Amino acid sequence: SAVISQKPSRDICQRGTSLTIQCQVDSQVTMMFWYRQQPGQSLTLIATANQGSEATYESGFVIDKFPISRPNLTFSTLTVSNMSPEDSSIYLCSVSKVAGGYEQYFGPGTRLTVT
Amino acid sequence: AQTVTQSQPEMSVQEAETVTLSCTYDTSESDYYLFWYKQPPSRQMILVIRQEAYKQQNATENRFSVNFQKAAKSFSLKISDSQLGDAAMYFCAYSPYNTDKLIFGTGTRLQVFP
Repeated sequence: SAVISQKPSRDICQRGTSLTIQCQVDSQVTMMFWYRQQPGQSLTLIATANQGSEATYESGFVIDKFPISRPNLTFSTLTVSNMSPEDSSIYLCSVSKVAGGYEQYFGPGTRLTVT
Repeated sequence: AQTVTQSQPEMSVQEAETVTLSCTYDTSESDYYLFWYKQPPSRQMILVIRQEAYKQQNATENRFSVNFQKAAKSFSLKISDSQLGDAAMYFCAYSPYNTDKLIFGTGTRLQVFP
């Protein structure tokens, strides 16, 4: 298994500002992902965080808006830039210890409200 | 593009009874993985069960089992002997082979009544 922590757990931010969310895992993992879950809705993959290289973004998500870093095998950050109220969501980090369609472990999420 | 559909926004069941949650998906691939994840209120998402598309045998995990119909692209979850702790949002998810990314359905909220 994997224990994942996210910081902050929640935040209220003003329009136009940026917030960086941290994801820390208690052991080395192969894959790290960032998802967005809008209130009462499903999860949408934002990007795969690649160690030592640029993240791989899904359609509809761009690096300028959601820059991602992954400096090592246990840590990643997601920044939500130039925020608007539409960015109000829960942002979740997930990890996979073994590649090949195995279990993903999810963090507790960061609840972001943009005013 | 692959999509996952859960047609039941909400379901309810009485304790000790059985309930089935539906999921259909669309893909042109032959190899992939399917999952059911559970998200209890204010708690973290956890894996319930996993199915490999190339395996014909339906996966089971204790009280949880799936009915995987590959030709029909259907992947339903059966919960037997339902317990109060089963109350949660259940998400069906599809993962393309060799990517590990998850494509989620819209979820089914399961209520369990004593």
